Amino acid sequence: GQNIDQPTEMTATEGAIVQINCTYQTSGFNGLFWYQQHAGEAPTFLSYNVLDGLEEKGRFSSFLSRSKGYSYLLLKELQMKDSASYLCAVYDSNYQLIWGAGTKLIIKP
Amino acid sequence: IAGITQAPTSQILAAGRRMTLRCTQDMRHNAMYWYRQDLGLGLRLIHYSNTAGTTGKGEVPDGYSVSRANTDDFPLTLASAVPSQTSVYFCASSDSRVSGANVLTFGAGSRLTVL
Repeated sequence: GQNIDQPTEMTATEGAIVQINCTYQTSGFNGLFWYQQHAGEAPTFLSYNVLDGLEEKGRFSSFLSRSKGYSYLLLKELQMKDSASYLCAVYDSNYQLIWGAGTKLIIKP
Repeated sequence: IAGITQAPTSQILAAGRRMTLRCTQDMRHNAMYWYRQDLGLGLRLIHYSNTAGTTGKGEVPDGYSVSRANTDDFPLTLASAVPSQTSVYFCASSDSRVSGANVLTFGAGSRLTVL
């Protein structure tokens, strides 16, 4: 079956760096997405990776290794507003989007 | 309207009742989707539409139906609600369902409780 694994919850300190991992087993691969979802709100797009390597976008970076079925989202200079759930999603060979359950990130002062 | 509008925001419904969740987008996106989100689970696709006039079944379509009469509207109907359909429902849209960097735009969600 198809599966995406992410840690359920992580805690980090304001101003620090945190890495949220995502591993996937899917039928083919056509890209990996990270979305941010604040409590009670809609998911919003953060990043897209289709080739191996690191994509940097301000304080957020996303890394992909297709051979390992692995991605991570790196958040630098954490702010209280970064407290949210982070959803990893993968497009399989049929362009079906497979979603992970999300990682709830708690930022402490 | 800016983006995707969903209605109602929340609803409590008696089991056995019929319910339609409304979704309207103003971005002229071809593809639209309905997801449900339950605690501890990833977003699960209920139904989708690649373009106006076409619909398809997702991962969990049973008990739900959709229609796509035009580009902007994509209502989701529960013909006879059951308690297991208690969930948060998200409507989403994108330029195309079958393309690489297919970024989804989500509505604010509809929280449905079936008693």
